[in-house]
Amino acid sequence: AQSVTQLGSHVSVSEGALVLLRCNYSSSVPPYLFWYVQYPNQGLQLLLKYTTGATLVKGINGFEAEFKKSETSFHLTKPSAHMSDAAEYFCAVRGTSGTYKYIFGTGTRLKVLA
Amino acid sequence: DSGVTQTPKHLITATGQRVTLRCSPRSGDLSVYWYQQSLDQGLQFLIQYYNGEERAKGNILERFSAQQFPDLHSELNLSSLELGDSALYFCASSSGQGGAQAFFGQGTRLTVV
Repeated sequence: AQSVTQLGSHVSVSEGALVLLRCNYSSSVPPYLFWYVQYPNQGLQLLLKYTTGATLVKGINGFEAEFKKSETSFHLTKPSAHMSDAAEYFCAVRGTSGTYKYIFGTGTRLKVLA
Repeated sequence: DSGVTQTPKHLITATGQRVTLRCSPRSGDLSVYWYQQSLDQGLQFLIQYYNGEERAKGNILERFSAQQFPDLHSELNLSSLELGDSALYFCASSSGQGGAQAFFGQGTRLTVV
């Protein structure tokens, strides 16, 4: 069965500092991996995704993530945090055969300090 | 705007009642997913439909049921409601059986009093 683990339910960074949100996955088949962001009282918006090909994926708002098969990780980074990055971030996995449901991690709430 | 429409946005109802949440997927998307988001359980996958057929089932209670209609819109029916059913219910859609990504609606906030 596929699963996603996000380390750290709350992360605080200073404005301008590096953002690092951690995600590890478990999947018996090569997965598709996603990061979504949720702002208060809104739905989930896709930040970036890995399907196949290049393992370093760039997304919107300056975020990127690297798929590391050997570490079963897909950590999200941004070189310099902005106040507008404060939100909840979800890592998700989707299988590529059999069931195609999207399984989400428990989320990481990012706080950006002025 | 993701193109996924959920109605109503807010719903307040009493325990023991039944409600129906509606989802219209993005134009052309054949898969619809339902998720429940609560503070203590995070984003839980409930059920997926593909082109009218149930495709995958998650942690969906027996009091809950869903269907996808020929026009591809979907409804989630919640019955015998309990206080613990209060949550944000999201619908998402994707092309194909999984698609390259899931597009989420704005959610329906259900409050059971």
